[in-house]
Amino acid sequence: AQTVTQSQPEMSVQEAETVTLSCTYDTSESDYYLFWYKQPPSRQMILVIRQEAYKQQNATENRFSVNFQKAAKSFSLKISDSQLGDAAMYFCAYRTPNRDDKIIFGKGTRLHILP
Amino acid sequence: ETGVTQTPRHLVMGMTNKKSLKCEQHLGHNAMYWYKQSAKKPLELMFVYSLEERVENNSVPSRFSPECPNSSHLFLHLHTLQPEDSALYLCASSQEDNSGNTIYFGEGSWLTVV
Repeated sequence: AQTVTQSQPEMSVQEAETVTLSCTYDTSESDYYLFWYKQPPSRQMILVIRQEAYKQQNATENRFSVNFQKAAKSFSLKISDSQLGDAAMYFCAYRTPNRDDKIIFGKGTRLHILP
Repeated sequence: ETGVTQTPRHLVMGMTNKKSLKCEQHLGHNAMYWYKQSAKKPLELMFVYSLEERVENNSVPSRFSPECPNSSHLFLHLHTLQPEDSALYLCASSQEDNSGNTIYFGEGSWLTVV
């Protein structure tokens, strides 16, 4: 069965510093997609970044980048120059291309930004 | 402005009431979802509609009744709920075409059952 594990329930980082949130997953598939979602206090789930497993290059979106290690089944999110607005719950997610397969979410990591 | 809108944003209802949550997506997607998010619990998938047909029903109690009249609208009808049903209900949509497309969420409806 496919699973997504976020081993850090909570993390803190000083404003302007860099933080890395970890995510591991288990799958026997070779073709799949990975996501990081952010859920701020407003509670809307917002897509931060998406990675296709067939792409070797790590995805980046401004201050957000991932370290995708396919062999290790690891998909960590790095946030550079942390800002107060980055404080949120971050969810790692996995899905296959198959429209009948559900997206699977991790339990989340709550990130605190220290001023 | 979000591509997936939910109303109402907050709802307080008694255990004997009947109410509905509404979701509308403006993204042209062909699949819609209801998720439940309770405190200290993982995100729970409740229902999936693909091309207006229900394709997933994760053992949700019958006091929750979904309705998908067309590909842009999704309802969650609520009746005789329990206090433990108090939670954030998130609607989402995606374009399902075997490409692993992204799921987009609404802002959620906070439900309190008293």
